[in-house]
Amino acid sequence: DGGITQSPKYLFRKEGQNVTLSCEQNLNHDAMYWYRQDPGQGLRLIYYSQIVNDFQKGDIAEGYSVSREKKESFPLTVTSAQKNPTAFYLCASSPGRINYGYTFGSGTRLTVV
Amino acid sequence: QKEVEQNSGPLSVPEGAIASLNCTYSDRVSQSFFWYRQYSGKSPELIMSIYSNGDKEDGRFTAQLNKASQYVSLLIRDSQPSDSATYLCAVRGDKIIFGKGTRLHILP
Repeated sequence: DGGITQSPKYLFRKEGQNVTLSCEQNLNHDAMYWYRQDPGQGLRLIYYSQIVNDFQKGDIAEGYSVSREKKESFPLTVTSAQKNPTAFYLCASSPGRINYGYTFGSGTRLTVV
Repeated sequence: QKEVEQNSGPLSVPEGAIASLNCTYSDRVSQSFFWYRQYSGKSPELIMSIYSNGDKEDGRFTAQLNKASQYVSLLIRDSQPSDSATYLCAVRGDKIIFGKGTRLHILP
């Protein structure tokens, strides 16, 4: 079955450490997105990529980095520069055409300890 | 700043009644409109898409779009306890903008 796989489901990080969240899709979608969700804040866009080897900053990119070396993969690194990284992280993908919504992965819950 | 506005709720509806969820948006050139359902602790799931003015029905769900009023709504008929969730409105121009969601609680 086609879909988006995020791993791990839960992640604990010590302060000062970088951590990488995985996102893989087999939907043959061109565009991929990373969102952060905090209670009462809704979805906030971190980074997005519309094509391999290209990506753009979203609304809250500071303290995060991404790569898009393959169409299927869009990993997100949460760096030590991110001041408040504890959140629910969601990866999504889309064919990129205007009439298509996003398909979401199951999410990674990151906790800084 | 392009915005999508929803009442945060909670909206409490008796089981079997019609739940009505509303959303307004600011970008007049938006072309595609979506409703997502998100259960607590889970990721959003796309339940309805609508692109032209009027109503679109899918089972117990009806999406309504009025581009002149910049308004989109979701009706859930014969509400069930399993419909209790947060519903996110999403509007697409060059990319999708999400509302913060309305919490719906179906009372048994």
